[in-house]
This record gives sequence, C-alpha cells and structure tokens, in this order.
Amino acid sequence: GDSVTQMEGPVTLSEEACLTINCTYTATGYPSLFWYVQYPGEGLQLLLKATKADDKGSNKGFEATYRKETTSFHLEKGSVQVSDSAVYFCALSEIAPDKLIFGTGTRLQVFP
Amino acid sequence: GAVVSQHPSRVICKSGTSVKIECRSLDFQATTMFWYRQFPKQSLMLMATSNEGSKATYEQGVEKDKFLINHASLTLSTLTVTSAHPEDSSFYICSAPRTEVDTQYFGPGTRLTVL
Repeated sequence: GDSVTQMEGPVTLSEEACLTINCTYTATGYPSLFWYVQYPGEGLQLLLKATKADDKGSNKGFEATYRKETTSFHLEKGSVQVSDSAVYFCALSEIAPDKLIFGTGTRLQVFP
Repeated sequence: GAVVSQHPSRVICKSGTSVKIECRSLDFQATTMFWYRQFPKQSLMLMATSNEGSKATYEQGVEKDKFLINHASLTLSTLTVTSAHPEDSSFYICSAPRTEVDTQYFGPGTRLTVL
C-alpha cells in the first residue's frame, strides 16, 4: 500500500541556518503530496502542496518539489527562524484532499 | 483562527467507561470528516471517514463497535470510545475537507488517557 517515510527528528538548528527535511513516498498511482505543520498546541495546518510531477509548492519561505523519478518531496528553507519550531508532517493523497497518509513527523527546534 | 475545533482537548477516564469526543467545523459545512489516531512518535493513522446522513466508513482493523462515529449535522461529528481500556490511550485528531479551497483543516486533537 501507499506509504510515506520521513527523517526522524528532532532537527536542531540555529536561527538563519538552512533546513532540509527528507520525505520519500510509495504509491501505486500519481498522488498529490503535502507538507503539514503543527505548532505547539495547535492543529495541523497545510504548509504547501504539489499535485503533479515537477510541481514546486512554496509558502512562508519553505519549498518542496515533487520528484517522481526519486519519489521524493523534500522540504527546504534557506534561513529558518525561531518561529519555525514545530512538527512537520509529509503526506500523500491519491484522491486529494481525501484520505491523507502521513509520515511520522519531524520535530524542528530552532534556537536563537 | 481555528476553523475546526475539538472538545475536550484532554480527558482522563477509568477503564470500562465511554468517552465522547466532538469535532466541529466552525465556519463551513462538512459532509465528510475524518478521524485519526496518533501514537507517540508515530504517524497519524486514519481510523474512519464520517459521513453526514449515513454510516461511517472504517479503515481495516478499526473496530466499528469500539469506536462509534456519528455525523449529527453538517458541522459536527462525534467519536465515542466505548468501554475504554488503557490500550485506547492515544491522541485523536479530526479533520474536515473544505472542497472549495481543496484543503483539509485539522482540529487541535484530543488526548485520551485511560487508567
């Protein structure tokens, strides 16, 4: 079945450092791919998404490119801030926005 | 602000009792809502799809008599954990898709602890 694998955390960075959180997926068809973020005490929020190969999703300085050849959707940001500290979930859906399949989540901690 | 709420945010109960968790969409109607369960350091696992006006659809391995779902209105779905046991202790999260913006909105979650 479909699955999502993302790197384990926590990821600890200093402010203004570069961020990459790896995410790879397994799917039978051509899924849509998502990154969700969960800030402390809040519900998951959609950060960005891509619906087909080579699409790049971007939001709040974060980017991720849908790479069909490597079945990956890595999350990147050039300069993180303390306010980016949160848990990040990679997810896929064969029938967007229905039935999301999530990775285990990666906690990001950014220190000043 | 939050567009999907859950109540309660945290509940502790004794083994054998039943616990009801509410999920509300605050400013849109949702004919479908989803219930997830999250164990520590693990993925969110989809438990069931709640359908307004019809029976819920459960994922493989989820006991429908254990986890009762009622989609009472276009803005409310409830999950009742019946005869709860310690192994039911978990973080339960609901979500509601807003089709006009092609996005799912998640509630903040409910932490259930069964003693």
